[in-house]
Amino acid sequence: DIQMTQSPASLSASLEEIVTITCKASQGIDDYLSWYQQKPGKSPQLLIYDATSLADGVPSRFSGSRSGTQYSLKISRPQVDDSGIYYCLQSYSIPYTFGAGTKLELK
Amino acid sequence: QIQLVQSGPELKKPGESVKISCKASGYTFTDYAMHWVKQAPGKGLKWMGWINTYTGKPTYADDFKGRFVFSLEASASTANLQISNLKNEDATTYFCARNNYYFDYWGQGVMVTVSS
Repeated sequence: DIQMTQSPASLSASLEEIVTITCKASQGIDDYLSWYQQKPGKSPQLLIYDATSLADGVPSRFSGSRSGTQYSLKISRPQVDDSGIYYCLQSYSIPYTFGAGTKLELK
Repeated sequence: QIQLVQSGPELKKPGESVKISCKASGYTFTDYAMHWVKQAPGKGLKWMGWINTYTGKPTYADDFKGRFVFSLEASASTANLQISNLKNEDATTYFCARNNYYFDYWGQGVMVTVSS
């Protein structure tokens, strides 16, 4: 199984910062990597797919990138509404695997 | 618009069974696989498996082999998850999600409570 090591587990950021969340895959996943935001009591929402493509309706302050087997989600000048838990997902091979999640708090 | 609408919350006793539905609308049901995801209270997301909505063939993650069954009512554009012999650890929220090599649409989730 492919392991997705996500970090950090939590972070607190100001509205002026650039927030970066990373997921490192235990092996190559050919950019079959997506990012999701989940708010309390809600289902996850797709932010980024294919590692770097922005999902429909997602603000351009969200972006995705890759370096080797490490994938990153960047939020530039986050808004208060960006608080929540962020997950990565590899869909390269079965079983699909999620990262453990990053809880983002905006201060 | 594309929607996945899941059935309502369930309260069951240990040892009972539960069937959760996920009704799709706004697209051709058989064009996209349906996946199932579990989320324990306060915990992360865990992939359970998927069902080929064209052939009906299910595939289960190792932790969900045995008591879990994915099925279809294709004429109703509905995917189902049935869990038999419920245990305390099954008390959690279950999501369906449409697969496009990523999960572009999700159901709202169904909370299953297991209590004697």
